[in-house]
Amino acid sequence: GQNIDQPTEMTATEGAIVQINCTYQTSGFNGLFWYQQHAGEAPTFLSYNVLDGLEEKGRFSSFLSRSKGYSYLLLKELQMKDSASYLCAAALYSSASKIIFGSGTRLSIRP
Amino acid sequence: EAQVTQNPRYLITVTGKKLTVTCSQNMNHEYMSWYRQDPGLGLRQIYYSMNVEVTDKGDVPEGYKVSRKEKRNFPLILESPSPNQTSLYFCASIPPGRSSYNEQFFGPGTRLTVL
Repeated sequence: GQNIDQPTEMTATEGAIVQINCTYQTSGFNGLFWYQQHAGEAPTFLSYNVLDGLEEKGRFSSFLSRSKGYSYLLLKELQMKDSASYLCAAALYSSASKIIFGSGTRLSIRP
Repeated sequence: EAQVTQNPRYLITVTGKKLTVTCSQNMNHEYMSWYRQDPGLGLRQIYYSMNVEVTDKGDVPEGYKVSRKEKRNFPLILESPSPNQTSLYFCASIPPGRSSYNEQFFGPGTRLTVL
């Protein structure tokens, strides 16, 4: 079966660092997407990891371990506008193919 | 402006009355996809299309149809809607090539209620 797990909710403090974990078990795996979704809005693309390792993009970094079926999204220097849901999604055969989403992690930032 | 448009944005209908939700993109992307989003379940893929006349089932295709007769449009068809299809629907398109993935877009969403 296909399964993607991520925590339902997390809370962090403005200016701090937070790591959102995602584990996956899928039949077929090409890469791992991370999206940000503010309440009432459409998801927006953050990253796509295909190879093992850390990829940094400004305040956001994403890590993938294919052998462990594990990824994380690291957010640094948190700002209030980072309060949103973060969606982890596995692309099964190629990046433009069947995509399985986790249920999302709702991140709340407190001052 | 690069964008994905969906229509209608909101729809209330009754069981059994056929409806179509349109999706259009102006970026010449080959790949398009439909999702539904429900509380606690996250986004679930309904259908996807890798190019004109090429469509494949996602995770939850039952009760839905799609067509891809031209690259820019990917309509979602509910032949006989039922209350369990009440949901928030998103259309998305992704460009080819990983270096362009920041140019992928989701549409604004269609909130459908089936009574």
